[in-house]
Amino acid sequence: AQSVTQLDSHVSVSEGTPVLLRCNYSSSYSPSLFWYVQHPNKGLQLLLKYTSAATLVKGINGFEAEFKKSETSFHLTKPSAHMSDAAEYFCVVSDRRSGNTGKLIFGQGTTLQVKP
Amino acid sequence: GAVVSQHPSWVICKSGTSVKIECRSLDFQATTMFWYRQFPKQSLMLMATSNEGSKATYEQGVEKDKFLINHASLTLSTLTVTSAHPEDSSFYICSARDRDRLNSNQPQHFGDGTRLSIL
Repeated sequence: AQSVTQLDSHVSVSEGTPVLLRCNYSSSYSPSLFWYVQHPNKGLQLLLKYTSAATLVKGINGFEAEFKKSETSFHLTKPSAHMSDAAEYFCVVSDRRSGNTGKLIFGQGTTLQVKP
Repeated sequence: GAVVSQHPSWVICKSGTSVKIECRSLDFQATTMFWYRQFPKQSLMLMATSNEGSKATYEQGVEKDKFLINHASLTLSTLTVTSAHPEDSSFYICSARDRDRLNSNQPQHFGDGTRLSIL
């Protein structure tokens, strides 16, 4: 079975400092992994995706994530946090068992707080 | 980029009313759309998979007669919450997949959600 675990429900950083949001996955298949961001009362915006090409994936707004198969991790990072980065972040794996339906399995989310 | 429009963004209505939420793919065609429910401070819970021209596939525990889904065209899916009650109050989000990019590597495109409040 596939699953996603976000190790921190809440992360607080100061503006200008690095961001690390942790995600571990479990999958019997070669996974497709995504990070989405959700601002209050909004839908989800795709930050980046891993699709078995390069293990270091660069996304929008300066975010990147590294796929580490040996650690079954897909942590999200950003060198310098901005106030506008404060939001909810979801690590997501695509359920390969569902064929082309593309059903997604969501982590529980991590709230990123950015302090001035 | 791919845009999904969800309408309305907010709705407040009395208990017993039926409420319809629309999800449109604006610049692509979607044979498959998804409906999610999100409670405060929680993750998204998949309610059902909407299939164009056929019946929706509901997740375990989701009442089909309560949450009616219609996917009559390649750009529109609707979710109707029938005889809504306060416990149905929630944030509902739809997503869609581009039918011309159907593989598990392609992400879903999300609408901005609908805040439903039942008085």
